[in-house]
Amino acid sequence: NAGVTQTPKFQVLKTGQSMTLQCAQDMNHEYMSWYRQDPGMGLRLIHYSVGAGITDQGEVPNGYNVSRSTTEDFPLRLLSAAPSQTSVYFCASNLQGLGHTEAFFGQGTRLTVV
Amino acid sequence: TQLLEQSPQFLSIQEGENLTVYCNSSSVFSSLQWYRQEPGEGPVLLVTVVTGGEVKKLKRLTFQFGDARKDSSLHITAAQPGDTGLYLCAGTQGGSEKLVFGKGTKLTVNP
Repeated sequence: NAGVTQTPKFQVLKTGQSMTLQCAQDMNHEYMSWYRQDPGMGLRLIHYSVGAGITDQGEVPNGYNVSRSTTEDFPLRLLSAAPSQTSVYFCASNLQGLGHTEAFFGQGTRLTVV
Repeated sequence: TQLLEQSPQFLSIQEGENLTVYCNSSSVFSSLQWYRQEPGEGPVLLVTVVTGGEVKKLKRLTFQFGDARKDSSLHITAAQPGDTGLYLCAGTQGGSEKLVFGKGTKLTVNP
């Protein structure tokens, strides 16, 4: 059972470079989301999608773009990397229930911007 | 302003001890979840509570949702080293699909 697959697991970027973090899920969930996790800050929502073709901003969207062309894939693009974007990034696929949502996370991408 | 406040931030105990960690808010949540995260891994869902006053048990773990649906607690009985990890609470409000997280409680259980 693959669940949520994130690639790469580790990445080092130079300031100003761009890159795409990949996320794929095989659970046929409509809702997917991206979080970043920083020490002492918990998980903060970057962008989310409620279905193919629909995306919206979360708490910390600046510097990131997303698209959702298929149900399975939800890539996160860093347009021009900055040291402040050094973090661990988690993609989640959410099972929507009646009045609640349950998140299934990938293993994360540890990104360092130098 | 953090919507979900978790306490304590850090907890280090000996194997066999009991402990309780808390997740508090001034806002009402339609549901609350507890996740456990181990180093280098993504969070893993432990439980979802949706009804005020609800109590759920998962082996040695007991989860409670406050009557007013503004807070939750996680109680671990006879903690074991395998319980070590970061415990995160998360919740949804009203009709929103967005899941907001607390900052977590880092638990260390020493043998």
